[in-house]
Amino acid sequence: ELVLTQSPGTLSLSPGERATLSCRASQAISSSYVTWYQQKPGQAPRLLIYGTSTRATGVPDRFSGSGSLTDFTLTINRLEPEDFAVYFCQQYGSSPLYSFGQGTKLEIK
Amino acid sequence: QVQLQGSGPGLVKPSQTLSLTCTVSGDPVNSGPNYWTWIRQHPARGLEFIGYVYYLGTTYYNPSLESRLSISLDTSANQFSLNLYSVTAADTAVYYCARSRGKSGANTFDSWGQGTLVTVSS
Repeated sequence: ELVLTQSPGTLSLSPGERATLSCRASQAISSSYVTWYQQKPGQAPRLLIYGTSTRATGVPDRFSGSGSLTDFTLTINRLEPEDFAVYFCQQYGSSPLYSFGQGTKLEIK
Repeated sequence: QVQLQGSGPGLVKPSQTLSLTCTVSGDPVNSGPNYWTWIRQHPARGLEFIGYVYYLGTTYYNPSLESRLSISLDTSANQFSLNLYSVTAADTAVYYCARSRGKSGANTFDSWGQGTLVTVSS
């Protein structure tokens, strides 16, 4: 079974700084099917990045994604107050078809 | 714009059946290439894919839940439903319904319901 491991578990930064979030897969996965979601308290996850690096509709360009094989990264430049949330990576293809990382909480320092 | 609204009991007794419904607006459930999906979120264990029903009615279930699971479409009501049998406390979670457009949507979940908290307790 494929496992996605996100790090760090919690990231404490100030508005205006850059956030770098990591997602590591236990085996190589297709970059076409690596997705990032943002989740705020009491809300459903929101689609952020798909295909490793393509921003979903309406997502600001301070969000970017990169990576290949087993290592994927979500970068948020110039953090805004509304960016503080939990971020999940997700893959499609390996058993159990869809799987998620355990999340990185981005909190205000 | 598609909207999903989950509904169902918030409390289920152990060994009984957890039943949830997702009402879809803005997109017929029998239009392709939609995969109508259930995902749950345990407080301490993150997000877990449960399974989906394809717009044509075929299903795929997470192997870890397959023996206790049924997902179906109701095209007349534009809904899809989840039945999880013989529940235990480990099934306590927030249950989300979501849509995937399959390969044409990069196998992402682009629309989500608001989530339904289900607690399994006697």
